[in-house]
Amino acid sequence: AQSVSQHNHHVILSEAASLELGCNYSYGGTVNLFWYVQYPGQHLQLLLKYFSGDPLVKGIKGFEAEFIKSKFSFNLRKPSVQWSDTAEYFCAVNPLNAGNNRKLIWGLGTSLAVNP
Amino acid sequence: DGGITQSPKYLFRKEGQNVTLSCEQNLNHDAMYWYRQDPGQGLRLIYYSQIVNDFQKGDIAEGYSVSREKKESFPLTVTSAQKNPTAFYLCASSALRNTEAFFGQGTRLTVV
Repeated sequence: AQSVSQHNHHVILSEAASLELGCNYSYGGTVNLFWYVQYPGQHLQLLLKYFSGDPLVKGIKGFEAEFIKSKFSFNLRKPSVQWSDTAEYFCAVNPLNAGNNRKLIWGLGTSLAVNP
Repeated sequence: DGGITQSPKYLFRKEGQNVTLSCEQNLNHDAMYWYRQDPGQGLRLIYYSQIVNDFQKGDIAEGYSVSREKKESFPLTVTSAQKNPTAFYLCASSALRNTEAFFGQGTRLTVV
């Protein structure tokens, strides 16, 4: 069965530190990839997505992610975090042509706390 | 303003009662989804619908029911058969050929 693994469940950083959150998936075919963010008390919103083309995608608020097909990974990065980046981050994968084209497979999420 | 509206934001019910959570979207999306979010467990899919009058069970459908009589609406009923109904419920929608999901604000259900 397809699955998504987020390696870090809780991350604590100081402001200005660099961030990298890992995401790996298990599916050998074509995928659409997403990172969502959930700020405290707010709804889930899309941070960035990859469908095709340049494997380095840029999202909102200075976030970027790199799709490495050979590693089945889609890690999220930000060079310098801010206190306002404190949130829960979810990686999601849509495995295309897997018989359930419309279903997203979700990671368990990573809780990021940024200390001022 | 386009989006997804879930109501109410907080809901309290007594054990043994059925309760229906509302989800409405004005994005003209074909697909709609219900997720349950519990701490440390990510998002788990309850039900989804790709077209009016059709829906499929997700990974944790037991104790839940849905209907899709209109494109805009996808209400979720949490029945008394759901053994652990207290949770945060999220509704989402997506367009036909784009799996990017848009989420509502969520409903926090507490069963006492």
